[in-house]
Amino acid sequence: GAVVSQHPSWVICKSGTSVKIECRSLDFQATTMFWYRQFPKQSLMLMATSNEGSKATYEQGVEKDKFLINHASLTLSTLTVTSAHPEDSSFYICSAPRASYNEQFFGPGTRLTVL
Amino acid sequence: GDSVTQMEGPVTLSEEAFLTINCTYTATGYPSLFWYVQYPGEGLQLLLKATKADDKGSNKGFEATYRKETTSFHLEKGSVQVSDSAVYFCALPNSGYALNFGKGTSLLVTP
Repeated sequence: GAVVSQHPSWVICKSGTSVKIECRSLDFQATTMFWYRQFPKQSLMLMATSNEGSKATYEQGVEKDKFLINHASLTLSTLTVTSAHPEDSSFYICSAPRASYNEQFFGPGTRLTVL
Repeated sequence: GDSVTQMEGPVTLSEEAFLTINCTYTATGYPSLFWYVQYPGEGLQLLLKATKADDKGSNKGFEATYRKETTSFHLEKGSVQVSDSAVYFCALPNSGYALNFGKGTSLLVTP
């Protein structure tokens, strides 16, 4: 089946630094990818829609200057958490639809811990 | 907007017990409905789906029927195994084709 990878799987950083998370579709092209955030024991919340060749679309309440999204190619989207703070610590998950929007494939997630 | 509500967990069952995890939806139309599973330390996996009313999705012994009269998509399994221990999410597409998830139900199956 289709595979979506994320890198890194976990990262620990100091407050004030920036962290980049990569999301790749390994065997299909994805003009759209989605970024979610999951807090412990809670559901996934959509943060933004990453669009290849155009600006990302952010959900209400998500700071676009803090969470920079770049969809560099048809197989790669990156999420950069800028000037990270402890409250940004979370599990970040990307997904990519394939062929139709009824089929979405999720990455394994990236655990971010900001000290 | 369209949303799903699922029962709160955690749910603890003995092996071979019957499982039901309730999920109800609110939608303006008849969207596709999904159940995703998240095993410990792993990413989300599609468990099953139904694309229209009265459809039954099934996979790995799990079933869910899309019932428009009760706006429900309850997940069931007749005999759970320890390996079914995971978090289960009900979901439906939003207007932008991403997914709106329920809060998740944690299932623990004990030997």
